[in-house]
Formats: sequence, C-alpha cells, structure tokens
Amino acid sequence: GDSVTQMEGPVTLSEEAFLTINCTYTATGYPSLFWYVQYPGEGLQLLLKATKADDKGSNKGFEATYRKETTSFHLEKGSVQVSDSAVYFCARGSQGGSEKLVFGKGTKLTVNP
Amino acid sequence: GAVVSQHPSRVICKSGTSVKIECRSLDFQATTMFWYRQFPKKSLMLMATSNEGSKATYEQGVEKDKFLINHASLTLSTLTVTSAHPEDSSFYICSAPDRGTGNTIYFGEGSWLTVV
Repeated sequence: GDSVTQMEGPVTLSEEAFLTINCTYTATGYPSLFWYVQYPGEGLQLLLKATKADDKGSNKGFEATYRKETTSFHLEKGSVQVSDSAVYFCARGSQGGSEKLVFGKGTKLTVNP
Repeated sequence: GAVVSQHPSRVICKSGTSVKIECRSLDFQATTMFWYRQFPKKSLMLMATSNEGSKATYEQGVEKDKFLINHASLTLSTLTVTSAHPEDSSFYICSAPDRGTGNTIYFGEGSWLTVV
C-alpha cells in the first residue's frame, strides 16, 4: 500500500547550517507530495507541495523536488534559523484521494544559535 | 490565527471512561474532515473520514464502535473515544479541506490523550 519513509531524527543543527531531510514514497500512481511543519503547540501547516514529476515546491527558503525516478521528495534549506525548529512531516496523497494523506513519521529539527 | 481548532489539546481520563475531542473549522464550511492518530515514533495514520450529515468512513482496522465520529454541522466534527484503555493513549489530530480555496488542507493543533 501507500507509504512514506522519512529520515528519522532528531536532527540538531547550528544556525546557518545546511539542512536535508530525506523522504521517499511508494510509487503507486502519481501522488501529490507535501511537506508539513508543526511548530511547538500548533497544528500542522503546509510548508510546500509538488503535484507532478520534476515540480519544485518552495517556501520560506525550503525547497523540495518531486523526483519520480528515485521516488523521493527531499526537503532542503541552505541556511537554517532558530525559528525553523519544529517537526517536519513528509506526506503523499493516498490512492483514495489527495485529501487523505499518508505521512512519514516526522523529523524533529532543533536549530541552536 | 488558527483556521481549524481542536479541543482539548491535552486530556487525561480514567480507564473505562469516554472522552470527546472536537474539531472545528473556523473560517470555512467543511463537509468532510479527517481524523488521524499517531503512536510514539510512528507515522500519523488516518483513522476515518468524517462526513457531514452521514456516517463516517473508517479505515481498515479502526473500530467504529470504539471511535465514534459525529459530524453534526458544517463546522464541527467530534471524535469520542469510548471505554478508553491505556493503549488508546495517543496523539489525535484532525484535518479539513477548504474547498473554497482549492482544497487547501488545514490541520488542527492536535490532542494528546492519556488514559490512566
């Protein structure tokens, strides 16, 4: 069935470091792919998305490219900030529809000053 | 501010009791909402689809008599964990697509349930 495999954390970085969080998905169909972020005490917020192969989603300095050949959607940011500390979830639309999401386990990121 | 609000954010209940979690869409009407739960170090797993005015659709393996879902209005879905047991302790979170903005999916803040 549908699944998403996400790099396990926690990840601890210094400010201005480069961030990569790996994410791969099962290749059933051509799902939309998402990255969600959850800041402490808040709900999940959509960070970025891509709906077809080779699309690049970007927001707040974060980027992820839909790679069909490697079934990946890795999240990257060139220079993280303390305010980026959060839990990041990779997700794909399910076969039941893009409103139903299949999530990875989440990766907790802590950025130290 | 929050577009989907979930309440309570944390709840502790005794074994055998029932607990209700609410999910409200604040700025839009949601004919459909989704309920997820997350066990420690596991993915968020879809439990059920809540449909306004009709029965919820449960995912395979989810006990519908244990996790009662009521979607009585266009802005409110409730999840009631009945006869709770410690193994029901988990993080529960709801989502709602706003079909007026191209199906943008908004999530609630989530609810931590601890059954003692």
